[in-house]
Amino acid sequence: EAQVTQNPRYLITVTGKKLTVTCSQNMNHEYMSWYRQDPGLGLRQIYYSMNVEVTDKGDVPEGYKVSRKEKRNFPLILESPSPNQTSLYFCASSLTGINEKLFFGSGTQLSVL
Amino acid sequence: GQQLNQSPQSMFIQEGEDVSMNCTSSSIFNTWLWYKQDPGEGPVLLIALYKAGELTSNGRLTAQFGITRKDSFLNISASIPSDVGIYFCAGPTVYQGGSEKLVFGKGMKLTVNP
Repeated sequence: EAQVTQNPRYLITVTGKKLTVTCSQNMNHEYMSWYRQDPGLGLRQIYYSMNVEVTDKGDVPEGYKVSRKEKRNFPLILESPSPNQTSLYFCASSLTGINEKLFFGSGTQLSVL
Repeated sequence: GQQLNQSPQSMFIQEGEDVSMNCTSSSIFNTWLWYKQDPGEGPVLLIALYKAGELTSNGRLTAQFGITRKDSFLNISASIPSDVGIYFCAGPTVYQGGSEKLVFGKGMKLTVNP
């Protein structure tokens, strides 16, 4: 089944403890992206990647890192999480870019205490 | 950056009623997208519009790409309980330097009472 898989689904952590949210897609998509969803703010893009080893900042990249060493994986790294990074995170992918259908993962609810 | 203004922010309706929502921008978009997010899930694409004036249907959903290219509308006819969720408009933008971003509206939360 074609899908975008994120892990974990839920995560509670403490300020400053490095964490990684994994994202994997099995559709051979070139474009991958991370969003955060906050009440009243909708979906905001954190980082995106047009292809392997090509990444770029979205609208809210501060405090986040990404890497794209393989086509199928696009992990989101929080080196030193802070409470304002408590949010619902979504990974998404599409065949070549933003003009095509984006497939979203089921989300990761992160709480930073 | 570009912003999409989506309205209304929420709606509470009775099953069987029709729903209308819209999205506006101060900038031109060449593509308008409508996504739906079911509770506890990621958004799923409902309808994509690629041409000004285009009217597209997908079952009980109808969406239109405004002729000014600065707005779009989504209508749901004869709503059913499974229409519950958050509806997002979105538009792709390409900034100087070639960076591509998909801008989302803030969403319209729909509640359908059986």
